[in-house]
Amino acid sequence: SYVLTQPPSVSVAPGTTARMSCGGNNIGSKAVHWYQQKPGQAPVLVIYYDTNRPSGIPERFSGSSSRDTATLTINRVEAGDEADYYCQVWDYSTEHWVFGGGTRLSVL
Amino acid sequence: DVQLVESGGGLVQPGGSLRLSCVASGFSLSDYEMNWVRQAPGKGLEWVSYIRSSGSPVYYADSVRGRFSIARDNARNSVHLQMSTLRVDDTAVYYCVREGGTYGNDTFDLWGDGTLVTVSS
Repeated sequence: SYVLTQPPSVSVAPGTTARMSCGGNNIGSKAVHWYQQKPGQAPVLVIYYDTNRPSGIPERFSGSSSRDTATLTINRVEAGDEADYYCQVWDYSTEHWVFGGGTRLSVL
Repeated sequence: DVQLVESGGGLVQPGGSLRLSCVASGFSLSDYEMNWVRQAPGKGLEWVSYIRSSGSPVYYADSVRGRFSIARDNARNSVHLQMSTLRVDDTAVYYCVREGGTYGNDTFDLWGDGTLVTVSS
């Protein structure tokens, strides 16, 4: 089965840049979506199809994808960005949706 | 308001059954594919099941195949998850999720608030 690997945690200072990776075999050939989940809340879509932002998501959020790694980048990080972030792909071979294990972003 | 509301969660003994329901408001559920996603306490997201807008095909995670069954009632704007032979590790918040909305066919653009299922003796 397809596996997405995310670092458990990332810590940054306010105003700096946070980069969260999502590793997967040839993930660059798949559409990657990213979700933000704050404590006690349902997840929210923040990036879709690798690089696109839904309406209402700040321009500070961006996504990229290359051969084996997709990356969610948050510029000028704010305290309100503290959350868990999950990447997601569709695995055609198993007809399963797959989530990464999630990365907890801490703003120091 | 456009929203999904889950119900049916609760405490059940191992080996028992439970039926979750998800009702949509503000839009027609029949236009969308639907999923169930769960999250065990303190853990990450786990996809559980998918159903096409027409009702077929359906897909299941390996961990629930043969025990869970997804169905939809487009006339009642609802989708259901029948869970049987429940195990302790099925304990989780279960989210109903819309797929294929505003941002494209493969995006989970609308989530319910979730319903908690606790499997314990």
